[in-house]
Parts: sequence; structure tokens; C-alpha cells
Amino acid sequence: DAGVIQSPRHEVTEMGQEVTLRCKPISGHDYLFWYRQTMMRGLELLIYFNNNVPIDDSGMPEDRFSAKMPNASFSTLKIQPSEPRDSAVYFCASSFSGSGDTQYFGPGTRLTVL
Amino acid sequence: TQLLEQSPQFLSIQEGENLTVYCNSSSVFSSLQWYRQEPGEGPVLLVTVVTGGEVKKLKRLTFQFGDARKDSSLHITAAQPGDTGLYLCARHGGGADGLTFGKGTHLIIQP
Repeated sequence: DAGVIQSPRHEVTEMGQEVTLRCKPISGHDYLFWYRQTMMRGLELLIYFNNNVPIDDSGMPEDRFSAKMPNASFSTLKIQPSEPRDSAVYFCASSFSGSGDTQYFGPGTRLTVL
Repeated sequence: TQLLEQSPQFLSIQEGENLTVYCNSSSVFSSLQWYRQEPGEGPVLLVTVVTGGEVKKLKRLTFQFGDARKDSSLHITAAQPGDTGLYLCARHGGGADGLTFGKGTHLIIQP
């Protein structure tokens, strides 16, 4: 298995620019999660999908953040416009079922907004 | 928000020593998970504990769930440099599927 795939692995951009992060979950997994990790706040859930439908986006910090899952094998997290405080490592994870099931994390995208 | 407090935040010890890290909360959990994260990678699940008082062993790692299901500990025997990493505890949100994580313990095992 290829595991969860994220791209790009590193992204450096300037304040105000649009940033798009991509995720391919493990085939057959019905749940997809986006998390953000910073030193100050640790690892936080942003949003998650079940069968491509957003279920809980209460962790999305602002309207500048949006996420989509157009099909079972692809999801995007977009930040527009980006700000320096968005600098973090963004992780995508997937699981076969919901609560209690093992979540498999991708390697993350390290985002730096200058 | 039901917070998970992990301690210590940082721990650096010599190879061969034993150590214990903790995960505490004021709330009762139905289950709790421990993850290890290495630099540049995502967290990897080590274990899930479900029953109060439960003890699970994974080679030199021993995980315990408190009797009241409000706390958990991870004990490593004869630590090795390969144990170096960020150890995170996590719980599933009440009725939700996403995970709530503690801030983790940064562990460094020096040769």
C-alpha cells in the first residue's frame, strides 16, 4: 500500500497568495481528515469527510480556509489569502470507518507563509 | 473542549534508562490512543486502550489506562535511540470521528 499521499511536501509562499494542499487517501477508506500542527497549539483537527461529504468543519479557523473532496481518492485544502500565522505542518489522514478506527496519517505539508 | 494534558513536555535521557510519560484529563474517555511521530513524518498509532485499568505491552513499551479512564501512562524500559520522537495521546471527540490530541512529549534518547 502506498499509504496516504500528500503534496507538496514543502510550500513557501508570500502573504496574500493562494495555497492549495492536496491529499490522496488510502484506497477503500471512507473517512478523510485534515489536521494542522504547530508548536504552540499542537495537532488540531480542521475538518473531516465521510464518503466525500464534509461532516464537521468546526475546526476550520477562518473563512480563508476551505476544503473539498470531489471524489473518493482526492481532497484539497485551500487557503486564500494566506497569512504568516497559517505557517504550520498540515496533515491529511484517512480511516476505513469512523470513531475508534485507526487513522493513517500522510507525511504532511510544511507550509511557510512569508 | 476536553483537553489532554501531557507531561513532561520534553525529556532527554541516556540509552538504557527507563522512563514514563503521562496523559491526563478531567474527563472520562471511552478510549484513548497513543501515537509516535518522528521528524518529517505523520503520527503512527501505537496502541488503543479501552478498558479502565487495562495494560497493553508493545515490546519494551507498556501502556496503562487509569481505572477511572481519565488518564494514561506510557512506560519505556531500557530506552534506545530509536525510541526518540514525539509521543502523542489522543481521544475521539464525543460523538465525533476526529481526534483530539495532547501537545505531546518530545523524547530524546542519547546514545
